[in-house]
Amino acid sequence: AQSVAQPEDQVNVAEGNPLTVKCTYSVSGNPYLFWYVQYPNRGLQFLLKYITGDNLVKGSYGFEAEFNKSQTSFHLKKPSALVSDSALYFCAVRDMTHTPLVFGKGTRLSVIA
Amino acid sequence: GAVVSQHPSWVICKSGTSVKIECRSLDFQATTMFWYRQFPKQSLMLMATSNEGSKATYEQGVEKDKFLINHASLTLSTLTVTSAHPEDSSFYICSGRGGKYNEQFFGPGTRLTVL
Repeated sequence: AQSVAQPEDQVNVAEGNPLTVKCTYSVSGNPYLFWYVQYPNRGLQFLLKYITGDNLVKGSYGFEAEFNKSQTSFHLKKPSALVSDSALYFCAVRDMTHTPLVFGKGTRLSVIA
Repeated sequence: GAVVSQHPSWVICKSGTSVKIECRSLDFQATTMFWYRQFPKQSLMLMATSNEGSKATYEQGVEKDKFLINHASLTLSTLTVTSAHPEDSSFYICSGRGGKYNEQFFGPGTRLTVL
């Protein structure tokens, strides 16, 4: 069965500084990995995904994530954080079959001006 | 990406009543629909998976008689919370899978409050 771990409940970063939100996964076979962002009382917004190809994936709003197979990680990064990036971030995984996405518990990012 | 809509976006009801939430895939055919539930400050928990024209498959611990799911067409799925109680208050998010790459797309969610 697939699983996702987001070890940090909360990440605080100063505006303009780089940010990292951590994610590790467990899946049999090759993983399909996703990052979503959720603002209060809103649905999920897709940020980026890794299916195959380059390990560094670039997504929306300047976010990127690096797939590391040996460490089974897919950390979300951004070179310079904005206050508007403050939100709840979810990492998700599924395998190559038609299983539904499994989500991590989420990490709340707070960017301080 | 493809668009999934949910209606209503929020609903308040009295305890004991039933509430229906609609989920529509607007520009693709969703062969599979998923319903998730999210409690405050928690992750999305999968409730059930439904394929068009078939009965839904419920996750362990989810009462199928309480959460009725219908997936009558490739663009519409409904979740009916029957005899709602305050503990059913939550944020319900649907997701449709389909399109060229068979990806999952998420609706904006429905906030249910049961008084």
